[in-house]
Amino acid sequence: QSVLTQPPSVSGAPGQRVTLSCTGSSSNIGARYDIHWYQQLPGTAPKLLIYGNINRPSGVPDRFSGSKSGTSASLAITGLQAEDEADYYCQSYDSSLSGSGVFGGGTKLTVL
Amino acid sequence: QVQLVQSGAEVKKPGASVKVSCKASGYTFTDYYMHWVRQAPGQGLEWMGWINPYSAGTNYAQKFQGRVTMTRDTSISAAYMELSRLRSDDTAVYYCARDTGSSSGAPLYYFDYWGQGTLVTVSS
Repeated sequence: QSVLTQPPSVSGAPGQRVTLSCTGSSSNIGARYDIHWYQQLPGTAPKLLIYGNINRPSGVPDRFSGSKSGTSASLAITGLQAEDEADYYCQSYDSSLSGSGVFGGGTKLTVL
Repeated sequence: QVQLVQSGAEVKKPGASVKVSCKASGYTFTDYYMHWVRQAPGQGLEWMGWINPYSAGTNYAQKFQGRVTMTRDTSISAAYMELSRLRSDDTAVYYCARDTGSSSGAPLYYFDYWGQGTLVTVSS
């Protein structure tokens, strides 16, 4: 059971917009700790996609955007492409577990 | 360019220990925290803890307290993660990952560079 909750799967057609959710609690997202997102392609290490809730590292297309409100956060992907098919993980800090990093369980994005 | 290169796959018996290395290059090793994250087959990511390469200070996830030890060797820019009393459910890919936060401050708990992963298989 992950501290951050993500839907197991999401799908969309090429060109569409999809939103991936990440729900936490008052000891992580709700405590104003930042949310970060990673993309993991099969057989590879995760790649940082969004940091500090809304920021994109250099090289990440602006089709990817992040937002946060209350105890939840979202990753939006517009203009869906076949290459976006991957697992996506949200991550934050939790103050209730002697201070620790926490991940969501991950969402598998399928491009139809 | 920043690179984190990990040691090769390991097969261990239950009850044994494993030590995974992560050799950094392309930046000043002692300037950034290093975390360890694992991923069981078909499962999600799990944070294990961090080491401050400058001070050797550590912070471990509660789940692994007493079983994990993170160390570093600054002379060769390497970080190590040792997990003891292995069980079958420790079978996973273990990653090192660099925190973006400076070692002179607090870790930021997000990771801009990752090692390639080390598969540890625990089986009798």
